[in-house]
Amino acid sequence: QSALTQPASVSGSPGQSITISCTGTSSDVGSDNLVSWYQQRPGNAPKLIIYKVTKRPSGVSNRFSGSKSGNTASLTISRLQAEDEADYYCCSYGGSDVYVVFGGGTKLTVL
Amino acid sequence: EVQLVQSRAEVKKPGESLKISCKASGYDFTSNWIGWVRQMSGKGLEWMGIIYPGDFDTRYSPSFEGQISISADNSITTAHLQWSSLKASDTAIYYCIRAAGSGYEFENWGQGTLVTVSS
Repeated sequence: QSALTQPASVSGSPGQSITISCTGTSSDVGSDNLVSWYQQRPGNAPKLIIYKVTKRPSGVSNRFSGSKSGNTASLTISRLQAEDEADYYCCSYGGSDVYVVFGGGTKLTVL
Repeated sequence: EVQLVQSRAEVKKPGESLKISCKASGYDFTSNWIGWVRQMSGKGLEWMGIIYPGDFDTRYSPSFEGQISISADNSITTAHLQWSSLKASDTAIYYCIRAAGSGYEFENWGQGTLVTVSS
């Protein structure tokens, strides 16, 4: 199965906002509100930052927000900080045969 | 506090078998899906499969079906990932994951187990 499509890299300056897109199909991203986002800093395990498209786990900064339109989900990080520099992955329910599919990942550089 | 503690790094030869483990604590092991994600060096995350220890219902990604086996031992709240014949292309970090809520968001991750397969 194909991974969800994310831009390879995005960048922004401290204080700015950035948005990372995650494009799938009507069989995965567009089929339900089961999109999640993960942050992975170098050398560390991934961390859940958004689930069910828009929800934030306890302890995750409200600078992180999620949305979805059709087959494309988005992660927005506002008021960028140096500590946000990391790889970000989207993830979605992939249908009854595939179950789960990840995006290819986006490297965020804070300039 | 939920914890997923994985077994140590392994170095194996092609064709050898391997079983790595993930010891879970801090939650009801039998009531949450637990599974595995692969990350090859410098690459992205790949969902491999998941098991529900309550009834041992197991789901595999089509990309990994037939190549791996996922199991759970409720007596020691541990999940396992097993290969019967490793290939060099299995070299990667493997993360244990606990799925909360709907089963499609991975709230907790283990520290990762590096598996190196080389002759």
